[in-house]
Amino acid sequence: NAGVTQTPKFQVLKTGQSMTLQCAQDMNHNSMYWYRQDPGMGLRLIYYSASEGTTDKGEVPNGYNVSRLNKREFSLRLESAAPSQTSVYFCASRDIRGTDTQYFGPGTRLTVL
Amino acid sequence: ILNVEQSPQSLHVQEGDSTNFTCSFPSSNFYALHWYRWETAKSPEALFVMTLNGDEKKKGRISATLNTKEGYSYLYIKGSQPEDSATYLCAFSGSARQLTFGSGTQLTVLP
Repeated sequence: NAGVTQTPKFQVLKTGQSMTLQCAQDMNHNSMYWYRQDPGMGLRLIYYSASEGTTDKGEVPNGYNVSRLNKREFSLRLESAAPSQTSVYFCASRDIRGTDTQYFGPGTRLTVL
Repeated sequence: ILNVEQSPQSLHVQEGDSTNFTCSFPSSNFYALHWYRWETAKSPEALFVMTLNGDEKKKGRISATLNTKEGYSYLYIKGSQPEDSATYLCAFSGSARQLTFGSGTQLTVLP
């Protein structure tokens, strides 16, 4: 049982390049999330998917797109990377039984030059 | 956008000291308050979830209390150890059942 996995762990991009961050969970959770973490700002929600086939914007969606490929996988795409997107990106999935605890992946550290 | 605030932003204590920090959140439309522990280079891990006013939770030397009427929660660490060094995040869950995170309290325990 791997929990939530993310790839890659590190990535350096040049301004204008595109890339996709991958996330998968094996806990049979319906809901999945993408957050970014910047110094002094905690975790900010980019996009979420309440269930397979649905996605919704969070607090900071501009410059990103997402795909909920199936129940296990939720990807985040940067179409044209900007230096302001330098951050650590975390994927999470939610156990909706009871109290909605979220389980986090190990993170992807992205630098845009 | 919901306002979840944590204080202090950072804290340095000596090994053996007890410490506490605060999370304040909206007192309306409350569903749950979560505490997470986040070690450097790792991912956040759930510590506690509290749903009822007056709830107290305890795990070893760490405990938490909840006041939903006034919108605050305290996290206490008794007899801090170097391995307690981490960022402690609180997250508010309201009627929408999504988590809004505070910016965290970074704790450093000096040996």
